[in-house]
Amino acid sequence: SQQGEEDPQALSIQEGENATMNCSYKTSINNLQWYRQNSGRGLVHLILIRSNEREKHSGRLRVTLDTSKKSSSLLITASRAADTASYFCATLQGAQKLVFGQGTRLTINP
Amino acid sequence: KAGVTQTPRYLIKTRGQQVTLSCSPISGHRSVSWYQQTPGQGLQFLFEYFSETQRNKGNFPGRFSGRQFSNSRSEMNVSTLELGDSALYLCASSLELGVEAFFGQGTRLTVV
Repeated sequence: SQQGEEDPQALSIQEGENATMNCSYKTSINNLQWYRQNSGRGLVHLILIRSNEREKHSGRLRVTLDTSKKSSSLLITASRAADTASYFCATLQGAQKLVFGQGTRLTINP
Repeated sequence: KAGVTQTPRYLIKTRGQQVTLSCSPISGHRSVSWYQQTPGQGLQFLFEYFSETQRNKGNFPGRFSGRQFSNSRSEMNVSTLELGDSALYLCASSLELGVEAFFGQGTRLTVV
């Protein structure tokens, strides 16, 4: 089974609104990563948060990590049409494979 | 610097055939991972190579195999293709596992 599970599976919002997606995982981690994938293309790394960090920012992205709940959230503020994509969280499983969740499909409506 | 290059981008094969996909990682990256992505199963880990050694393998049948060369370039091979092998195959390279991974654009394989 997947290490990370994103929620919701799909999210549709208006341009300018904020988008929040969540990720839960099962085992202890050293870090958690978020990636974006535009339709049918490769994944692009967005941000990495270490297990001893609680929050991290990168531009319009804000990631939080709660290791006690084994969960993370990705917030995209002031969304744009170009943010339309699928978003995945990823964690290292067994130190030898990076495992991805099923992803959240985000649609930004103009 | 050049990104991760996967070739070919698109491929159509017939059931029973075999296929070889190629991945050229970013210069200096020794870890190369392969993933299969389908609408139903999402991103499934296939295997990971580091310095020509396969360190881990996902839950795929033996028809799926791979290798890594001394220049870190990697290939994956699928023999006796089945319709269910139709997918986007993604390659990712990184300095080491668990840090930022860089993905290629993928190879879209269609088995007919």
